[in-house]
Amino acid sequence: EAQVTQNPRYLITVTGKKLTVTCSQNMNHEYMSWYRQDPGLGLRQIYYSMNVEVTDKGDVPEGYKVSRKEKRNFPLILESPSPNQTSLYFCASSLRPGQGYGYTFGSGTRLTVV
Amino acid sequence: KQEVTQIPAALSVPEGENLVLNCSFTDSAIYNLQWFRQDPGKGLTSLLLIQSSQREQTSGRLNASLDKSSGRSTLYIAASQPGDSATYLCARWDTNAGKSTFGDGTTLTVKP
Repeated sequence: EAQVTQNPRYLITVTGKKLTVTCSQNMNHEYMSWYRQDPGLGLRQIYYSMNVEVTDKGDVPEGYKVSRKEKRNFPLILESPSPNQTSLYFCASSLRPGQGYGYTFGSGTRLTVV
Repeated sequence: KQEVTQIPAALSVPEGENLVLNCSFTDSAIYNLQWFRQDPGKGLTSLLLIQSSQREQTSGRLNASLDKSSGRSTLYIAASQPGDSATYLCARWDTNAGKSTFGDGTTLTVKP
């Protein structure tokens, strides 16, 4: 089944403890992106990647890192999580967004930083 | 910064009614505009994507239009059903097709 898979689905962690949220797609998509969703603020883009080894900042990149070493994976790294990073995170991918292909979203990762 | 506005924030209609959801955006230099549906606690389901060169897309009871000159997109839902109850989000992608901006969504309730 074609899909975007995020892990874990739920995560509770403590301030300052490094964590990685994984995102994997099995559709050979070139484009991948991370978002966070917060009540009253909607969905905001964190980072995106147009292809392997090509990443760029979205609107809220502070406190996050990403890497795109292979096409199928786009992990989101929080080096020193803080409570204001408590949020619902989504990963998305698209075959070639510039040519009218749609965007597929993962099921989300609910992160709580205490 | 690009802005995407969705009005109304919430809408409640009786079953069977036709309805229109609105999405407006600043800057007509968009590449793609996509409508999504989000059920409570769930991820986003893609509904319709309109490329900047297109004016509308249709899928079943859904029709989305795009007017770049006025900075507006509408999602038309025909013969609404209780199963259509969800939050509907529109999102625009910039000309490099990488950077995106989402609206806050319209929460639709269709009453039986």
